[in-house]
Amino acid sequence: DAGVTQSPTHLIKTRGQHVTLRCSPISGHKSVSWYQQVLGQGPQFIFQYYEKEERGRGNFPDRFSARQFPNYSSELNVNALLLGDSALYLCASSLGGWSLTGNTIYFGEGSWLTVV
Amino acid sequence: QKEVEQNSGPLSVPEGAIASLNCTYSDRVSQSFFWYRQYSGKSPELIMSIYSNGDKEDGRFTAQLNKASQYVSLLIRDSQPSDSATYLCAVLYYGNNRLAFGKGNQVVVIP
Repeated sequence: DAGVTQSPTHLIKTRGQHVTLRCSPISGHKSVSWYQQVLGQGPQFIFQYYEKEERGRGNFPDRFSARQFPNYSSELNVNALLLGDSALYLCASSLGGWSLTGNTIYFGEGSWLTVV
Repeated sequence: QKEVEQNSGPLSVPEGAIASLNCTYSDRVSQSFFWYRQYSGKSPELIMSIYSNGDKEDGRFTAQLNKASQYVSLLIRDSQPSDSATYLCAVLYYGNNRLAFGKGNQVVVIP
């Protein structure tokens, strides 16, 4: 089975531009979440979606938005890019639900965003 | 107090030795704990999950959980050069299924 797939893998944007990152979860997984990881730090939670509904939002500005589609894929949008948005953006999927093992989270390879 | 703390600096261990990593967390109701390995320039890879107090072994890896002390650890036995990576401790917060991570510990295995 394919793991979590993300696109694009690398991209360079200019300050003020907009970016869309895409993610397909592991087959059968209904929960998708997004994390931002800057160099030297652990990943920081941005959003979580389950069954197409937003279930959680981290401490990020409104420039960050996301959605989940009926096929459980997801996209993360960032408007008005700042230099500080340069980071590795990770998509993660899990089965969802309330069982312990159902909430094991698996990460994709990530999208490296550089803002210049 | 940070949600998840990994305070040790880079850890250098000789090949074949045991590497020991520690992590503390602040939320007393957390039930799910994970260790991820992250190679430079790559995404985190799940290596261990633990939900109950005590030890859990998987190959050369052993995770230990003590909920009373809010403490999770990872032991890497017979360390290999391929174990050289950053190890991230993570705690799952239910409700929004959010993982809170420590900043990671770098492990360098010296041949």
